[in-house]
Amino acid sequence: AQSVSQHNHHVILSEAASLELGCNYSYGGTVNLFWYVQYPGQHLQLLLKYFSGDPLVKGIKGFEAEFIKSKFSFNLRKPSVQWSDTAEYFCAVIAGNAGNMLTFGGGTRLMVKP
Amino acid sequence: NAGVMQNPRHLVRRRGQEARLRCSPMKGHSHVYWYRQLPEEGLKFMVYLQKENIIDESGMPKERFSAEFPKEGPSILRIQQVVRGDSAAYFCASSRGLAYNEQFFGPGTRLTVL
Repeated sequence: AQSVSQHNHHVILSEAASLELGCNYSYGGTVNLFWYVQYPGQHLQLLLKYFSGDPLVKGIKGFEAEFIKSKFSFNLRKPSVQWSDTAEYFCAVIAGNAGNMLTFGGGTRLMVKP
Repeated sequence: NAGVMQNPRHLVRRRGQEARLRCSPMKGHSHVYWYRQLPEEGLKFMVYLQKENIIDESGMPKERFSAEFPKEGPSILRIQQVVRGDSAAYFCASSRGLAYNEQFFGPGTRLTVL
């Protein structure tokens, strides 16, 4: 069965710092990759997704992620974080054989200090 | 446009009671997914339904849990004879169709079993 690992459970940054959140998955076939964000008190929202094509994906609010197939990774990046980016971030995968089932990582709680 | 709606947002049950969680998908969406988030864990897939059909229930516990998505009305996740280990946040998502369509999430129902 496929699995998704997010290496950092908690990250604390100051405003304007750069962000990179790691995500690795275990599945050797075709994958669809997602990053979701959950702001405090709100529901999950899609930040960005990768299905095919350019492995560097641009999302909302200045986020981007790069799919590196050889490393089974889909890391999330943002050059300069803001206090409003404080949230929990989830990486998720739909493996080629899993229909519509999203497999989530454990999440990373990001706190941005003003 | 109303998003995915879930009710109740908070539900408290005593051990042995039944819990019924409701999910109304976004307008135009005919696919519903249920996920469970246990404390300090990521979301775990439970079941995927289309109208009047269960497509994938590979993540559902074998006993006490059931789900339906009738022709009319919301999708229902039913937990019979709840136990303390059922305490979790239950999220519903909906989509237009297959994996290439984004799953939109509801705000979740937080179930507490006393």
